[in-house]
Amino acid sequence: EIVLTQSPGTLSLSPGERATLSCRASQSVSSSHLAWYQQKPGQAPRLLVYGASSRATGIPHRFRGSASGIDFILTISRLETEDFAVYFCQQYGSSPHTFGQGTKLEIK
Amino acid sequence: EVQLVQSGAEVKKPGESLKISCKTSGYKFTTYWIGWVRQMPGQGLEWMGIIYPGDFDTRYTPSVQGQVTISADTLISTAFLHWSSLKASDSAIYYCARLRDSGSSIEPLDYWGQGTLVTVSS
Repeated sequence: EIVLTQSPGTLSLSPGERATLSCRASQSVSSSHLAWYQQKPGQAPRLLVYGASSRATGIPHRFRGSASGIDFILTISRLETEDFAVYFCQQYGSSPHTFGQGTKLEIK
Repeated sequence: EVQLVQSGAEVKKPGESLKISCKTSGYKFTTYWIGWVRQMPGQGLEWMGIIYPGDFDTRYTPSVQGQVTISADTLISTAFLHWSSLKASDSAIYYCARLRDSGSSIEPLDYWGQGTLVTVSS
């Protein structure tokens, strides 16, 4: 199965700053079948990005996904207080559809 | 409006059986894969498996194969996750979620249930 490794484990930033979250796959992810999710405490995850770079319905433009080989990046251009949460990547190109371990984005 | 509504929290003893549900509405149940995701306390997400209610094709992650059963009832547009013999290590929040595009299993999870907390303790 494909293992996804997210870094950093925790990212401490201030509102208005730019956040860069990384997800590295243990092998090629077919056709960039990679998604990013946001999860806030006590809530279900929410789909942000799929196909490595396509924003899901209703997701603000400050969220941007990109890919380079086995490396995937989620960039949040200008952090708002509502963006502080845990972020997970997921590959869904081969079964099982594995998740990364998550990056916690916290207020500095 | 697409909605996935899960059954309520459960407290069980080791060795007991359990079936939790995920009732869907707002779309054609038989044409979208639906999956289950586990989240142990304070931990990350684990994809457990998916089912296509149209033909009941089911896929599992190896670590849960044989430990749980994913099923669906098309008459009531509901998916299920079943354990025949629970262990303490099954204690977690379980989410159901629909795959994004109809007919395809190669999709992310776009609509999620609210989660069902399962606690297994003697």
